[in-house]
Amino acid sequence: DGGITQSPKYLFRKEGQNVTLSCEQNLNHDAMYWYRQDPGQGLRLIYYSQIVNDFQKGDIAEGYSVSREKKESFPLTVTSAQKNPTAFYLCASSVGTPNEQFFGPGTRLTVL
Amino acid sequence: DAKTTQPPSMDCAEGRAANLPCNHSTISGNEYVYWYRQIHSQGPQYIIHGLKNNETNEMASLIITEDRKSSTLILPHATLRDTAVYYCIVRVAEWGANSKLTFGKGITLSVRP
Repeated sequence: DGGITQSPKYLFRKEGQNVTLSCEQNLNHDAMYWYRQDPGQGLRLIYYSQIVNDFQKGDIAEGYSVSREKKESFPLTVTSAQKNPTAFYLCASSVGTPNEQFFGPGTRLTVL
Repeated sequence: DAKTTQPPSMDCAEGRAANLPCNHSTISGNEYVYWYRQIHSQGPQYIIHGLKNNETNEMASLIITEDRKSSTLILPHATLRDTAVYYCIVRVAEWGANSKLTFGKGITLSVRP
């Protein structure tokens, strides 16, 4: 089955630690995205990538970093510089042009 | 990006049509209307999108007014599994920062038995 996988579903970290969230897709999509969702709120764009080895900051990139070394993978690192990292993180992908985006199941990160 | 306004919630009976309204009075000529939904604690799911013509797919129908200032998503036969938050989004279909999906708070649809 084609789709987007995010792992793990739940993640706990101590304050001050960096943590990397995984996102893999086998849809052969060129574009990938990372969003953050806080309770009762909509989604906010963190980073997006149109193509391998290229990525752009979204609205709330501070405290986050990404890489796009492979077409199917777009990992997100939440660094210790991110002041409020506890949130629901969603990865998405789309065909080259910004058509409909397909989302993964999300990773719920809790920083203790 | 044009902003959208949606009522916070609505409900409908199972088996009946659910009509979800959205206002986007400042929409530009090159902006599309997209609908997504999110079931609790899951990733959003694409439903449908359109520019100015009405659209229909296996999930829903999208009715856009002639002046494009508002639209309605229609779920023809709502089921309990359609209970979710529905997001109406407008954006241009081009690359760059505008390709992002700006999700507001959406409308919570509750389907009752």
